[in-house]
Amino acid sequence: KAGVTQTPRYLIKTRGQQVTLSCSPISGHRSVSWYQQTPGQGLQFLFEYFSETQRNKGNFPGRFSGRQFSNSRSEMNVSTLELGDSALYLCASSLATLGQVPTEAFFGQGTRLTVV
Amino acid sequence: EDKVVQSPLSLVVHEGDTVTLNCSYEVTNFRSLLWYKQEKKAPTFLFMLTSSGIEKKSGRLSSILDKKELSSILNITATQTGDSAIYLCAVENGAGANSKLTFGKGITLSVRP
Repeated sequence: KAGVTQTPRYLIKTRGQQVTLSCSPISGHRSVSWYQQTPGQGLQFLFEYFSETQRNKGNFPGRFSGRQFSNSRSEMNVSTLELGDSALYLCASSLATLGQVPTEAFFGQGTRLTVV
Repeated sequence: EDKVVQSPLSLVVHEGDTVTLNCSYEVTNFRSLLWYKQEKKAPTFLFMLTSSGIEKKSGRLSSILDKKELSSILNITATQTGDSAIYLCAVENGAGANSKLTFGKGITLSVRP
C-alpha cells in the first residue's frame, strides 16, 4: 500500500512568487491535513480537508490556501511568498471517519520550500 | 488556545540508557494523544492513546496517558543510536468534523555510542 506522496520534494522560489504543493493521500483516506514545520515554531497546523471541504483552519494568513479533489488528492497554494515562508511543508492523511473513533494520521516526506 | 508542551527540549544519552520523554496538554474536547518519531522528514507514527492508565508497548518503546494530569510519557529502554530523532507529541482535539492535531515543538533525542 503506497504511503502519502508529496511533490515536489524541494522547491526554491523568490519573494513575491506563488507556489503550489501537492499531496496524494493513502488510498482510502479521505482526510488530508497540511502543516508547516520550522525550527523555531515546530509543526503548525494549516488546514484540513475532508471530502473536498475545508473542515478546519489554523492561524495563517489568507495567502495560504488549499483545495481537495474528488480523488482526495490535495493541493496547497501560497501566494506572494515571503522569506518567512521558508519551511518544510508536511501533509498527513487519515481515515478520519466522522464517527467518534480517533484515527492516526500518516505523514508524507514533505516539501522543503526555500524562499530567496 | 490549545497547547501541547514537551519536555525536555533536547536530550543527549548514551547507548543502553533509558529515557523518558514528557508531553503535557491543555486542549478542549480531547480525543486522543499521538506520538511520532521524526528522523529526516516524514514523522512516523508510534502510538495513539485514548484511555488513561493503559500502557501501549512496541519493542523497547512504551507510552502511557494520564488524563487526570493531562500528560503522557514516552519511554525508551536500552536506547540505540537509531533512536536518535525528534519525538513529537500531538493531541487530537475538537469534536467530530472539527477535530485537528495540535503538535508540541518536539524533543530532540541524541543517542551516543
